[in-house]
Amino acid sequence: AQSVTQLDSQVPVFEEAPVELRCNYSSSVSVYLFWYVQYPNQGLQLLLKYLSGSTLVESINGFEAEFNKSQTSFHLRKPSVHISDTAEYFCAVTCFPQGGSEKLVFGKGTKLTVNP
Amino acid sequence: EAQVTQNPRYLITVTGKKLTVTCSQNMNHEYMSWYRQDPGLGLRQIYYSMNVEVTDKGDVPEGYKVSRKEKRNFPLILESPSPNQTSLYFCASSLLTTSSPLHFGNGTRLTVT
Repeated sequence: AQSVTQLDSQVPVFEEAPVELRCNYSSSVSVYLFWYVQYPNQGLQLLLKYLSGSTLVESINGFEAEFNKSQTSFHLRKPSVHISDTAEYFCAVTCFPQGGSEKLVFGKGTKLTVNP
Repeated sequence: EAQVTQNPRYLITVTGKKLTVTCSQNMNHEYMSWYRQDPGLGLRQIYYSMNVEVTDKGDVPEGYKVSRKEKRNFPLILESPSPNQTSLYFCASSLLTTSSPLHFGNGTRLTVT
């Protein structure tokens, strides 16, 4: 079965420091990749997505993620975080297994806390 | 404004008392889905619907029912709630199955005593 692993459940960082939230998935077939962000008391919002083309994708608020097919990873990075980036981040992968229907699988989330 | 609306936001009930959580989207999306979010477990899919009158089980369907009589509405029904269904529930929709980004509601926090 497809799985998505977010290696860190919590990541504390100081403001203006760089951050990387790691995501690995288990699938040998084509995938679509997503990062969602959940601010306190809200639903999830799409942060960025990889469907095809350039392996580096960017969001409007400075986050970027790189699809690495050989390492089956889609790590999320930001060179300098703000207090307002404090949230929970979810990696999600759509897999297309042979003989089966497509399925979206979420990781368990990484709580990013940005401290002043 | 394009949105997914869930009601209620908070609900406290007792074991065995039937309840319905409503979900409505105004984006003409074909795909809708229900998730529950629990600490340490992330999001787990309960049921999903590809279109009107088409529903299917997700990963944790036991104890839940859904219906899709209209494109915009996808209610979640708990016929006989139990304490292990205490959770944060999210409804989501997308234009085309799971290859399109999901739009989420703001969640319903359910407590079953």
